[in-house]
Formats: sequence, structure tokens, C-alpha cells
Amino acid sequence: AQSVAQPEDQVNVAEGNPLTVKCTYSVSGNPYLFWYVQYPNRGLQFLLKYITGDNLVKGSYGFEAEFNKSQTSFHLKKPSALVSDSALYFCAVRDKGSNTGKLIFGQGTTLQVKP
Amino acid sequence: NAGVTQTPKFQVLKTGQSMTLQCAQDMNHEYMSWYRQDPGMGLRLIHYSVGAGITDQGEVPNGYNVSRSTTEDFPLRLLSAAPSQTSVYFCASSRSGTAPSGNTIYFGEGSWLTVV
Repeated sequence: AQSVAQPEDQVNVAEGNPLTVKCTYSVSGNPYLFWYVQYPNRGLQFLLKYITGDNLVKGSYGFEAEFNKSQTSFHLKKPSALVSDSALYFCAVRDKGSNTGKLIFGQGTTLQVKP
Repeated sequence: NAGVTQTPKFQVLKTGQSMTLQCAQDMNHEYMSWYRQDPGMGLRLIHYSVGAGITDQGEVPNGYNVSRSTTEDFPLRLLSAAPSQTSVYFCASSRSGTAPSGNTIYFGEGSWLTVV
């Protein structure tokens, strides 16, 4: 079965420090991977995606993610965290096991950036 | 650009009542879908549509109906609300198809529904 795992419920980082939010996946074949961010009482905003090509993907708000096929990981990174980055982050993969077109989401990781 | 627009944002219903969550997108996307978000369960697909006049069930369709009379609109109907339907509902859309693709799925702002 296809799945996405975010092993950390919460990540705490000081403002100005680099941040990493981890994601691993289990998908047959080549995955289509996505990161979304959700602010309190708001919808999911698309950050970036990996389809093919360069393993380092750059996205919105200075975020980037590194696709690692051998480790089946797609970690989200940012060189210098901002307090405003505090939010809930979801990793997702496009389902290849059905014809629904759905996204399979990880459980989410709360990022807390402290001043 | 409006993107995906959902209404209402907040709603309280009594058990047994019916209601419709509205969803509209202005990106001419063929694919639209509804998810619900519950603590510990993540986001689960309720229904989806690949174009006007075509709808199908997702993972958790019971208690919900959808229709797709136009490309832009994809309303979700709760037939007889139950406390188990207390959740946050998200409408989403993307360019064509259900075949796995790299097309980005865009989400609305969400509708917070409480059934008492």
C-alpha cells in the first residue's frame, strides 16, 4: 500500500536557524510528491512539488525540498526560519493505486519557530 | 485570482438537518474533489469529479452527495447531518485527470462544520 510518513509531530527551531521537516514515502514506481502548509483556520497552500528532474526543488516562501530516491525521502528545508513560518506542514503523494486522483497525506508536522 | 472558493466558512447544524457546502473554482480545472480533515485521520477523499456531469466516490462517501453541472462548481450535500460529520471540509481542484500526474491540486480555505 502506498503511504507517506512524517515522523515528527512537532519541530521546534529558533528564528534564523535552518529548519528541516521530514517526510518519507512508500510508492511503487516514480512518485509525484508535494508539500503543503496550513495556517490556523486556513486552507492548505501549495509550497512545492517533485515530478521529475533535479532532486532539489525550490518553492514558495524560500522553502525547498530534496528528493532522495534511495532513502525514499522528500524532506522540506529552509535555510533561515521565520516566526511567520510557524504552521502545520503536510507531505503528500499522488495516489498511483487508484483512479481517484487523490493525494495521500502524511499526518502533518507542526513547525514552531521561536523568536 | 480567486482560485478555489468555499462557502460557508463556519456552520453549526443540528442532527438530521441537511445543508450544502458550496465550492467554485475559476481556473477552468476539470478535476475537482472534496476532502474532510479530522484529527488523527488526516485528509480523506469524499467524492471527486473529472468533469461536468461526471462524479464518483472517494474513500468516505457515505452521507454525502455531489453533483457537477458546470466546470466551475462542485457542491457537497450533507443529506442528514450526524455528529460524526463534524469536521473540516476542503474543496480542491486541478487540471485534468485522475491518472497519477504531477498536476498541482489547489485547495480552498475550508469549511468548519459542527453537528450538534
